[in-house]
Amino acid sequence: DTAVSQTPKYLVTQMGNDKSIKCEQNLGHDTMYWYKQDSKKFLKIMFSYNNKELIINETVPNRFSPKSPDKAHLNLHINSLELGDSAVYFCASSQEPRYDRFHQYFGAGTRLSVL
Amino acid sequence: GNSVTQMEGPVTLSEEAFLTINCTYTATGYPSLFWYVQYPGEGLQLLLKATKADDKGSNKGFEATYRKETTSFHLEKGSVQVSDSAVYFCALREPRGYQKVTFGTGTKLQVIP
Repeated sequence: DTAVSQTPKYLVTQMGNDKSIKCEQNLGHDTMYWYKQDSKKFLKIMFSYNNKELIINETVPNRFSPKSPDKAHLNLHINSLELGDSAVYFCASSQEPRYDRFHQYFGAGTRLSVL
Repeated sequence: GNSVTQMEGPVTLSEEAFLTINCTYTATGYPSLFWYVQYPGEGLQLLLKATKADDKGSNKGFEATYRKETTSFHLEKGSVQVSDSAVYFCALREPRGYQKVTFGTGTKLQVIP
């Protein structure tokens, strides 16, 4: 069983469209994240939810809206897609039973191409 | 703010060569330090970590020691294999609350037979 699964794996769309990426984790973790990885492999946090509550919200255009229906799911909706949104988007989850036990698990990524 | 600086790649080595990827950090307090590995077409996987000064993280022949005096966490492996070809990310996390993980820019390693 895949621990953190994202769908779709590839997404090709036109500028101006609205699209969603879904993420599910079966690890029982309380915290989930969205990261954006650009073409140079730089990885930047976008959002984080803990038990369905938004706890990290970086400087991201408000065209990006995360939704967490329950603690096992964190979806990302993007409105009015722009060329600069082309990237690989990674979902991750973590649990922290103790500070030194923190461990993030990543999904395989969604490669978004905006034409 | 927090930051992580990694050596730029790509790093190209012959099989069985010694590997060092440098990583230094800037943070307040005493962060946890991590190395993640990303194989082609996959997500990041935790490779090793250290949570306090002088701790050594190790996994799959890779090692890194938390050096507070030099604010460094360099990744080393004595003998690399072709299968180690990947992008390696150094990262840190502050020890308070729901703090985000700050990643370095990644270093691509290519091991040739």
